[in-house]
Amino acid sequence: QITLTESGPTLVKPTQTLTLTCTFSGFSLSTYGVAVGWIRQPPGKALEWLALIYWDGDKRYSPSLKSRLTITKDTSKNQVVLTMTNVDPVDTATYFCAHRTSKSSGFGNWGQGTLVTVSS
Amino acid sequence: QSALTQPASVSGSPGQSITISCTGTSSDVGNYNLVSWYQQHPGKAPKLMIYEVTKRPSGVSIRFSGSKSGNTASLTISGLQAEDEADYYCCSYAGNSVPYVFGTGTKVTVL
Repeated sequence: QITLTESGPTLVKPTQTLTLTCTFSGFSLSTYGVAVGWIRQPPGKALEWLALIYWDGDKRYSPSLKSRLTITKDTSKNQVVLTMTNVDPVDTATYFCAHRTSKSSGFGNWGQGTLVTVSS
Repeated sequence: QSALTQPASVSGSPGQSITISCTGTSSDVGNYNLVSWYQQHPGKAPKLMIYEVTKRPSGVSIRFSGSKSGNTASLTISGLQAEDEADYYCCSYAGNSVPYVFGTGTKVTVL
């Protein structure tokens, strides 16, 4: 059974750095084709893809947020970490991590999401 | 990369069929057969309903089907049921540099 769980602060101040951790089980991020992504959803709004890290360590970022995002993985701990610098109230959202088995598979497994509020 | 365009809302009566469109460009939907669809109930995580345009993951009802023509993908829900009332999002592969782009989302209401 595959599970993913997001963790991190629920409240951050503007200009601070947000660090979110996705802890997973039931799969290995060393397996060919596997990737973990971060997707966010502002309250009442649509899903937005943020970043992706592949089994081989390659990384991809949303062009609009690329300068502020860093995604890393710790295979031994079964964790993926997303860092977002210089947060703003518009970054208030539920942040999800999700797993895919291949480029064609879609995100078949999601965490429950964690709501992050950016406010002073 | 712009979000894929979906209608804001679609409604239907129980038992009817509805179709949700997802319009992209020749750089995403039109260039790859890698469109997926997600169902999201309020306060819940999205659930994968369709991948590779037409394929259903194990456990997803056969009432859900996908298709694509040119730059537009579609999700059809047949035999609409009350439990289908949710938000639906399409997602397309958009190339090696920007692998994913989501749609604007569609709220499905069962009348």
